[in-house]
Amino acid sequence: DTGVSQDPRHKITKRGQNVTFRCDPISEHNRLYWYRQTLGQGPEFLTYFQNEAQLEKSRLLSDRFSAERPKGSFSTLEIQRTEQGDSAMYLCASSPGTSGGFYNEQFFGPGTRLTVL
Amino acid sequence: DQQVKQNSPSLSVQEGRISILNCDYTNSMFDYFLWYKKYPAEGPTFLISISSIKDKNEDGRFTVFLNKSAKHLSLHIVPSQPGDSAVYFCAGMDVNTGTASKLTFGTGTRLQVTL
Repeated sequence: DTGVSQDPRHKITKRGQNVTFRCDPISEHNRLYWYRQTLGQGPEFLTYFQNEAQLEKSRLLSDRFSAERPKGSFSTLEIQRTEQGDSAMYLCASSPGTSGGFYNEQFFGPGTRLTVL
Repeated sequence: DQQVKQNSPSLSVQEGRISILNCDYTNSMFDYFLWYKKYPAEGPTFLISISSIKDKNEDGRFTVFLNKSAKHLSLHIVPSQPGDSAVYFCAGMDVNTGTASKLTFGTGTRLQVTL
């Protein structure tokens, strides 16, 4: 399977704990995005990488959130001191950027569902 | 502010009939639009897209229409099949910002295709 993969698929944690999620994009896709989806809403943009550079962050991304893409391949999203309001589905997407037939289309992974107790 | 609106939270259509899902947007900078389908516990799956230089794009049973003056687009599914039952999201993108080309999603419409 050459799609976007995310790990773990589910995470239950207690308030105040730190969590880290991983995303592996489609091979050779140089753009990687993180979104968050809560119940009854569409996905909301969190942050974006072009290769290893983090080029944009949403105001939704508080200072408790940090994302990295160290070698321009996989990415991690860490949430420190989790709060109950962080409970959501965290989605990763990738796109080929300036090459490939699907320039603008983003391809999503299955998501990581976070529950903060 | 809700830049992309899907005002119908749900839609029920009989198998074989046409499904029409609507989407309105307010951001006049959007110049590319996408439809995604989402099953429970899965990520959104890309369905079809349209550039603002077009008013129609067709792919098999799926057709997207864009009315720029009305800031409205619609997704037509003909004929509808039970496997089309899912939540459909409309999304807009400003391609020319030169930065993220991030997607701005609507809240989704749940389509149920009945036998």
